[in-house]
Order: sequence, then C-alpha cells, then structure tokens
Amino acid sequence: NAGVTQTPKFRILKIGQSMTLQCAQDMNHNYMYWYRQDPGMGLKLIYYSVGAGITDKGEVPNGYNVSRSTTEDFPLRLELAAPSQTSVYFCASSSQGMSNQPQHFGDGTRLSIL
Amino acid sequence: DAKTTQPNSMESNEEEPVHLPCNHSTISGTDYIHWYRQLPSQGPEYVIHGLTSNVNNRMASLAIAEDRKSSTLILHRATLRDAAVYYCIPHRGSARQLTFGSGTQLTVLP
Repeated sequence: NAGVTQTPKFRILKIGQSMTLQCAQDMNHNYMYWYRQDPGMGLKLIYYSVGAGITDKGEVPNGYNVSRSTTEDFPLRLELAAPSQTSVYFCASSSQGMSNQPQHFGDGTRLSIL
Repeated sequence: DAKTTQPNSMESNEEEPVHLPCNHSTISGTDYIHWYRQLPSQGPEYVIHGLTSNVNNRMASLAIAEDRKSSTLILHRATLRDAAVYYCIPHRGSARQLTFGSGTQLTVLP
C-alpha cells in the first residue's frame, strides 16, 4: 500500500538553486495537488491537476512550476529558490475533485533555502 | 469557504472516548464536512466525512448537528497513536483545495 510517495524527504538548497520535488501515486487517481505548509500554519494549495496534461494554479503558485505527463506522477519544480520557499511540501491525490472525495497525502518534503 | 471554530487543544486519557467539536455556522448546503488529522512530521490523514447523516468508519464516528452548523468527531477509545492535530474542513465541490484552519491539538495521556 504505497499510496502517495514523495521524494526527497529532506533537502537544503542555496538561494538561486533549482530542484524538482517528486510525487507519485499508485491509486490511479485523476486529481493531484501540491500544498505547502509553513510552520504553525495550515496548508496552502500551490498547483493542482485534474488529469494527465492538465494543470492549474492554486492559491500560491508564484515561483513554482508543475507538469503532469502521466496519471501517476506530478513533479513540482522550483526554478530559483528563495528563502520564502522554505516550507514543508505535501503532495496529495483524489479519485475525483468532488467535495465528497477524500484527498490522500504523502509524508512531505521538508525544504530549507539558505 | 465556511469559517470553522475548533478548540486549540484538548486532552484525553488513553482508552477513553474523545469528542472533538467544530462549529461551521456559515457552511453551505452542499458542503461536505471532512475531518483530517496530522500526526507529528507526517502528512494530513483523512479520517471521515459526511453531509447530513451521522457517519461511522473504522477510525471514528462523525455526528452532524441537524442544522449542520456544527459537528463532532468521536474517537471511541483514544490511543497514544491518536495524538495529533485534528482539522474540521467544510469542503465545497467547486473548490479544489482543502482549507486547513488551525485545528485542535489532541494530547492523549497514558
């Protein structure tokens, strides 16, 4: 029962570096999401996807890019890392985007930008 | 999104029932009420959801007030593993994201 798998679990970046956070799900879910959680705060949606080839912005998309070439994978890319992007990043998936469908979350990637 | 009010923290003794309240007085008629929990250093975990009727699953029960302005998550026998932050989230179908508030920090005492 892998569910939603995120890699890496931890990463330290220097300002201006780039990296890709990986997310994969094995539940054949159409919908996938990227959230960030700052210390002591709730989660905020960065980007989401309703299926392969379709992505859309969430509440806080600036500084990030996504792609969805397969149903299983939804990578999040940081092009020019900034200290404000220090956060915990969670990927989630759901079978549909309806309000009666739960979202399944990965265990997160803890990212520090120094 | 509907605004929610939850206690900042609650304590329970191990193996006793826990009732976690949530007020959501501005909830829309079509919003499902979701509960998630987040254990330390882990991602949020789905617990249960419902619309109007009370719901049960292997993890918990959800009691929804008749006017839907409040709900209560019931853990029938708290264990140490249930110590987490519990989030009550009214979820609208047109909204892609789940809106997490500050939740209730549940401490389970041995």
